[in-house]
Amino acid sequence: GDSVTQMEGPVTLSEEAFLTINCTYTATGYPSLFWYVQYPGEGLQLLLKATKADDKGSNKGFEATYRKETTSFHLEKGSVQVSDSAVYFCALSDRVGANSKLTFGKGITLSVRP
Amino acid sequence: DAMVIQNPRYQVTQFGKPVTLSCSQTLNHNVMYWYQQKSSQAPKLLFHYYDKDFNNEADTPDNFQSRRPNTSFCFLDIRSPGLGDAAMYLCATSNPYGSNQPQHFGDGTRLSIL
Repeated sequence: GDSVTQMEGPVTLSEEAFLTINCTYTATGYPSLFWYVQYPGEGLQLLLKATKADDKGSNKGFEATYRKETTSFHLEKGSVQVSDSAVYFCALSDRVGANSKLTFGKGITLSVRP
Repeated sequence: DAMVIQNPRYQVTQFGKPVTLSCSQTLNHNVMYWYQQKSSQAPKLLFHYYDKDFNNEADTPDNFQSRRPNTSFCFLDIRSPGLGDAAMYLCATSNPYGSNQPQHFGDGTRLSIL
């Protein structure tokens, strides 16, 4: 079955540091890949997505490239801010239409200190 | 702004006392989902609706039921809540057409059991 593996956390960085959060996946088809962010006490927000190999998703300074050869979708940001402190979930969707479901990774907590 | 709205944000109920959580959407999406999220875990899909077609996940307890009276509203009913049902409950919607559209989440209802 489909699965998503995220690096173990939590991650603590200083403001303006470079961020990489690793994500790899296993899927039988050609999935779309997503990064969701969850701020404390809130629901999940879509951060970025990529729907086919070599696509790069980007938003708010975050980027991730869909790498089919390494089955990866690592999240990067060149300079993190305190406001980026949140939980980050990598996810895939391997179906379209009525049966579209998300498979989530375990999530990783990012804390950015001033 | 089009959105997914969950009410209430916080719900307290007594052990064994039925409780209903509500979700509404202005996105006019065909698909609505209910997730359970426990502390420091990824969201776990309970069930979803494609229009009025109900799809239950195999491991969703019988204690959990859902109703979708129209496109805009969806309810989660917990018939006899146990202490293990204390969690954040997330509602999400998606448009099943096009290339793997993302899911849009509400801010969740945090359920406490006394």
